[in-house]
Amino acid sequence: GQNIDQPTEMTATEGAIVQINCTYQTSGFNGLFWYQQHAGEAPTFLSYNVLDGLEEKGRFSSFLSRSKGYSYLLLKELQMKDSASYLCAVRDPSYGGSQGNLIFGKGTKLSVKP
Amino acid sequence: DVKVTQSSRYLVKRTGEKVFLECVQDMDHENMFWYRQDPGLGLRLIYFSYDVKMKEKGDIPEGYSVSREKKERFSLILESASTNQTSMYLCASSQYGGGPGGKRQETQYFGPGTRLLVL
Repeated sequence: GQNIDQPTEMTATEGAIVQINCTYQTSGFNGLFWYQQHAGEAPTFLSYNVLDGLEEKGRFSSFLSRSKGYSYLLLKELQMKDSASYLCAVRDPSYGGSQGNLIFGKGTKLSVKP
Repeated sequence: DVKVTQSSRYLVKRTGEKVFLECVQDMDHENMFWYRQDPGLGLRLIYFSYDVKMKEKGDIPEGYSVSREKKERFSLILESASTNQTSMYLCASSQYGGGPGGKRQETQYFGPGTRLLVL
């Protein structure tokens, strides 16, 4: 089966660092995406990993271990505007059409407090 | 910048009505998708299309149909709206093979969403 797990909710303090974990079990793997979604708005692309290791983009970093079926999103120097849901999604070549579609986790709602 | 637009942000319809949700992208993307998003269930794929006039069922196609007559436009149709179709509907598009360095990243870009209420 296909399954993507992430914590439902997390709380962190402004200025701190938070790590949001994502574990996946899929038939195939061809990349993992992280999206940010503010309440009532559309998801926006944050990061993409297809090889093992860390990808850094400013305050945000994403890590992937394909052998463990595991990724995390690291947010540094948290700001109030980082309060949002964070969605983990895996591209599975065996899911959907010939190109493989995205399987989304249910999202992690992050609340940043002063 | 990729731009995906949806015809309405909010829509209220009555049970049994036929509902059309329109999605347009301006980046010449081959791939287009329709999702619905519900609390506790996450994003679920309804239909997708990899080319004009091509459509394939996603995970929850029942009660929906789609149309892709032009590359930039992908329409979702609720043939006879029901209360359990009250949801947030999100359209997305991606470019086949798109990504830096030839990587097949194919990031999906989302429209602003349509919040549909069926009474």
